Amino acid sequence: GENVEQHPSTLSVQEGDSAVIKCTYSDSASNYFPWYKQELGKRPQLIIDIRSNVGEKKDQRIAVTLNKTAKHFSLHITETQPEDSAVYFCAATYNNAGNMLTFGGGTRLMVKP
Amino acid sequence: DSGVTQTPKHLITATGQRVTLRCSPRSGDLSVYWYQQSLDQGLQFLIQYYNGEERAKGNILERFSAQQFPDLHSELNLSSLELGDSALYFCASQGGPDTGELFFGEGSRLTVL
Repeated sequence: GENVEQHPSTLSVQEGDSAVIKCTYSDSASNYFPWYKQELGKRPQLIIDIRSNVGEKKDQRIAVTLNKTAKHFSLHITETQPEDSAVYFCAATYNNAGNMLTFGGGTRLMVKP
Repeated sequence: DSGVTQTPKHLITATGQRVTLRCSPRSGDLSVYWYQQSLDQGLQFLIQYYNGEERAKGNILERFSAQQFPDLHSELNLSSLELGDSALYFCASQGGPDTGELFFGEGSRLTVL
């Protein structure tokens, strides 16, 4: 089955700096890579996703890059703000009905004002 | 609001007891996942159902069981509860074939005293 590793487990940045979280996956058949944000005590919510037919996707201050050859993908947050502080989870799956989404271990991002 | 409903939101019980957590997926979603999240931990995958059948199993204890009913709601049964079972239990439903996105419920917080 799929195995997703995520680094770093914790990340502290100064407000305004950029943050990068990296994930690697094992199953070359995986073609859907979402990122979830979980604020303290709340449910995880999808913030951005990318499919294997593109190498990069941006949405305002967040972007995700995918390198299928190396089997890794990354989340980039620019101009970080205190409200970006949360736990971020990457995930991977072969996108077909009912296929399991495998999560990484999570990264706790702390943005210091 | 994700459209996924979990009950109860909070539950306090004693060691050795049994509880049932309930999840109603989004309308039309066939796949239901259960996750356990202990304090400051990642999302531990327990089990997945797809259209009433067990699809994938994670590190689910033998004291735990689940099922998905014909109306697609799911229940997670936790028995012989131990202190270490105290956690936030999330249910998530998965969108159709065009997306692998998971929609999480608000979670059921279980406290075992």
